[in-house]
Parts: sequence; C-alpha cells; structure tokens
Amino acid sequence: GAGVSQSPSNKVTEKGKDVELRCDPISGHTALYWYRQRLGQGLEFLIYFQGNSAPDKSGLPSDRFSAERTGESVSTLTIQRTQQEDSAVYLCASSSQGIPTYEQYFGPGTRLTVT
Amino acid sequence: LAKTTQPISMDSYEGQEVNITCSHNNIATNDYITWYQQFPSQGPRFIIQGYKTKVTNEVASLFIPADRKSSTLSLPRVSLSDTAVYYCLVGNNNAGNMLTFGGGTRLMVKP
Repeated sequence: GAGVSQSPSNKVTEKGKDVELRCDPISGHTALYWYRQRLGQGLEFLIYFQGNSAPDKSGLPSDRFSAERTGESVSTLTIQRTQQEDSAVYLCASSSQGIPTYEQYFGPGTRLTVT
Repeated sequence: LAKTTQPISMDSYEGQEVNITCSHNNIATNDYITWYQQFPSQGPRFIIQGYKTKVTNEVASLFIPADRKSSTLSLPRVSLSDTAVYYCLVGNNNAGNMLTFGGGTRLMVKP
C-alpha cells in the first residue's frame, strides 16, 4: 500500500548542471502530475500525464524543462542547465482516473537547491 | 479557468470552529470545488470535494451556496495539529484545469 514516492528527497547542484527528478506513482494510477513550489508560495502546475502521454505541457516554464513517463508508471522530470531560480520543492502527484471527482495523492517532494 | 481568492492567513485557538471562505465568481457549470491541506515539508493532502449544497466527512464540512460563487471549508474544534496551509481549487478534470493551486490560507492554531 505504498503511496507516491519521489527521489532524491534533496538535491544540491551547481548552476548549469542537469538534474533528473524521479516520481513513482501509486500503482494503477493513470494520471500523474508535476508541480513546483517555491519557498512560502503556492503550487505551480508544470505538466500532467494521462497514461504515458502529456496532453498539457503548458506549465513547463522553459525549454530547459522536460518530462517523460514510461509504462504508465515512473516519471522523470529533467531540468537542463539549472539556474538559481529553479531552486524549489518539486512535487509529484497521481490520481486514479481522469474523472471530475478524482483525488490527487502527493509525494513528499524533492527539494532542489541550485548554487 | 476559474480563479479563486482566499484569505492569506487566519488565526484561531484550540477547540474553536474555523471557517475559511474561498471566492470563485467565474466558476463553470461542470466545475467541482476541492480543498487540500498542506503541512510544512509535505505534499498537499485531499480534504474534501463538493459540487453544491453541503458535504461532510470525518475531517471537515464544505458549504456551497446555490450560486456556487463561493465555498466555505469548516473545521470543527481545531487542534494545534490543524495548523497548515489550506488550498481551494475549482475546476474539472475533463478540461485538465483542476490543477491551479492559489496561494492558500495559512491557518495558525494557538493553544
């Protein structure tokens, strides 16, 4: 009965480096979401997957951000050439079905610090 | 995309009832109203969801007036552990737009 897991829990990287953040959703959940949360602020939607496809990529802040999902399971969010403004907590959530009354289950997040 | 407005912060005392109101004047016919709770260093957690009138579960109640232009989350007899940020979301998953979290309401429960 595992929930959503994310790895790493913390990541410190130097400006200009690439980072990969991983999300393992709840087994059987078809929808998966990525959000960004800066310190003291609300959640900023980045991207969501229905199965392995991403019908909505509008939230990705720049072309340095990309995400993929395979096997309707694990998802990876990649940030290339990281900048200091990328420092934030990156949250992943999953839900069972794309119906109006769905509920999102969130992981603990990955805290990214770009130095 | 329905925009929501909530108070930035609220203070309460243990044992009191807390009501947090969210305004969503341009809610669409097929939009639902969902509330999440977030503790520090954790992801948000679903509290309650409703479409109209009143919904109650073991954690909270959600009051939605007939015009649905606002909603009120009611937390009965709060404790210190209810100190958290509460987010109101409006939308429907068919349009993929139940994905915009506002700034939330920071509730501080004092002893």
